[in-house]
Parts: sequence; C-alpha cells; structure tokens
Amino acid sequence: DAKTTQPTSMDCAEGRAANLPCNHSTISGNEYVYWYRQIHSQGPQYIIHGLKNNETNEMASLIITEDRKSSTLILPHATLRDTAVYYCIVRVGRGNEKLTFGTGTRLTIIP
Amino acid sequence: KAGVTQTPRYLIKTRGQQVTLSCSPISGHRSVSWYQQTPGQGLQFLFEYFSETQRNKGNFPGRFSGRQFSNSRSEMNVSTLELGDSALYLCASSLEVAGLAKNIQYFGAGTRLSVL
Repeated sequence: DAKTTQPTSMDCAEGRAANLPCNHSTISGNEYVYWYRQIHSQGPQYIIHGLKNNETNEMASLIITEDRKSSTLILPHATLRDTAVYYCIVRVGRGNEKLTFGTGTRLTIIP
Repeated sequence: KAGVTQTPRYLIKTRGQQVTLSCSPISGHRSVSWYQQTPGQGLQFLFEYFSETQRNKGNFPGRFSGRQFSNSRSEMNVSTLELGDSALYLCASSLEVAGLAKNIQYFGAGTRLSVL
C-alpha cells in the first residue's frame, strides 16, 4: 500500500469548514483514496473514498488533485461531534486487502 | 440494517489465560477482518476471512488465531495472554463485490481487552 502523510493535529472553529490534507505522492494508478475517522474509543467510521474525481456525500467532500499526489477532506460545517482522528488511506480495494492506518490527523473542533 | 456487532464490549483476563472474541458482520457481508489497536502501535491488521478461509494475515504471533463460520460470523482467539495483548480489538466487514472500491470495510465498536 502507498504511504500517506497527514498533519498530526488541526483545530477548526465550530461552524467553519474543516479542510484536512493528505499527501500520497507514491499512489498507484489503480489505488483509491479512502478516509475514515475514529471518535475516541470507538471503531473507525468510513467517510468517503475516491479515485480521481472529486466526490461528495452527506458527510464530506473529497478533493483529489489532478496528479493524484494529494487530497483534501472537507467537512463543510464542522460540529463538536466531528472531533476525532481522521485517517487517509490508499488501497486498491480488493476484498482481501487490509487497511493500513497511519497516525492520522487529530481534529479538534473549537466551540 | 444492523451494523457490525462485536461481543463482549469489555473483557478482563489474567496473563496466561486465553480469550475468544466474537464478530457478527453486516448482513450479506462475507469478508471479515480483524485489527488490533494499542496506544503504542496504532491500528494493526491481524487477519481477514472470506468463505471460512483465511485470505490474508498480518504480522502477529501464532497465539492469535481466528475462524469464520458458514454464516460469516467470525471469532478470534488469543492464547496464553500477555500484558501486551491489552488492546482494542476491532472487527470490520465488507461486501465482497467483484471490482474495486466496493469493498469498503465497516467497523464494529470493538472489544476492549485488559490483561492483568
């Protein structure tokens, strides 16, 4: 699996957009970018994934650069419940393929 | 649709004992993966099962084992527990679909194991 680099921590004011960057400069052409988050002591929660196009769902938006070497997860209106560790993972998506979690970004939403 | 269910949620054991953790995947999901999370090592992959067969295995000693039943439910077992086995054990299930990216893993809440 390609490695990813994320900032260790970030703060965001409640109600503002939270933009979480991820670098994946060695990503292969068939690898997707997945985002998960983990709220304290709970299981990781799937957020969104994408290959090359920007994606949006009810939770977030994913912006992938044209060269696919980096991406940004956007939480449009952050709430206190969005405080969590966010993980950016790249993988092909085969059924038997593990998720390789790095250290993630600890996002704190400030009231 | 119910999510991934792990039982028990909390467990306390002593060194040398063995433990069995259970995971019920989302209905229709046939792949089950197990992960260990510790403060020092983070989230690490243990193994993955599909159709009662182990397809992938992480770098853990043989004391860690698992199995999957015909209804896709899975169990993992840790024998001869060590203090360092204290961790949050997470199970994830995915819908096995030919092709890419549909194999999103959905996690349960985990079993927190404390070894004394």
